[in-house]
Amino acid sequence: NAGVTQTPKFRVLKTGQSMTLLCAQDMNHEYMYWYRQDPGMGLRLIHYSVGEGTTAKGEVPDGYNVSRLKKQNFLLGLESAAPSQTSVYFCASSYGARAGSFTEAFFGQGTRLTVV
Amino acid sequence: DQQVKQNSPSLSVQEGRISILNCDYTNSMFDYFLWYKKYPAEGPTFLISISSIKDKNEDGRFTVFLNKSAKHLSLHIVPSQPGDSAVYFCAASDGGNDMRFGAGTRLTVKP
Repeated sequence: NAGVTQTPKFRVLKTGQSMTLLCAQDMNHEYMYWYRQDPGMGLRLIHYSVGEGTTAKGEVPDGYNVSRLKKQNFLLGLESAAPSQTSVYFCASSYGARAGSFTEAFFGQGTRLTVV
Repeated sequence: DQQVKQNSPSLSVQEGRISILNCDYTNSMFDYFLWYKKYPAEGPTFLISISSIKDKNEDGRFTVFLNKSAKHLSLHIVPSQPGDSAVYFCAASDGGNDMRFGAGTRLTVKP
């Protein structure tokens, strides 16, 4: 049981390059999230999805796009990378609201992205 | 606008004593609160949660307290162990949509 898997684990990009981060979950979760973690800022929500085919903006969506074509996958795209996007990116998934409660999210191990 | 705040970036306690981590929130629509623990080079892992209909939830050495009127919650770890040394994140949800995190508190438990 893999849980939440992020690909790649490390990447170095040049300013202006594009890339896609892939997140896959095998728990049949409805909700998926992309966060970035920066020193002193904690985890900030970039985009999230409450189901296949849906996406929504979080706190810091600018410069990123996402797609949820399949329930198990959530892709995060950077069209034109900037040094300010140097960060550690975490994907997470959860059942969301269920039976009157909000269920916990399971996180991937993170992707360390450096933009030079 | 950070809706979930952890104002203490670090906390150091002696093994066996109580660790108290605090979290404040501003959005009155939040009704589920979660604590996550994070070790270096790993993703956060879920620790304990509480819904707004309760004011306390306990799981072994971990207890979360919620004060809705003050928009404040705290995580108590008793007794603290060296293996508890990690960064602890407070998170909140409005019950069906996104989940917002605080900046985290680095806990160090000294032997």
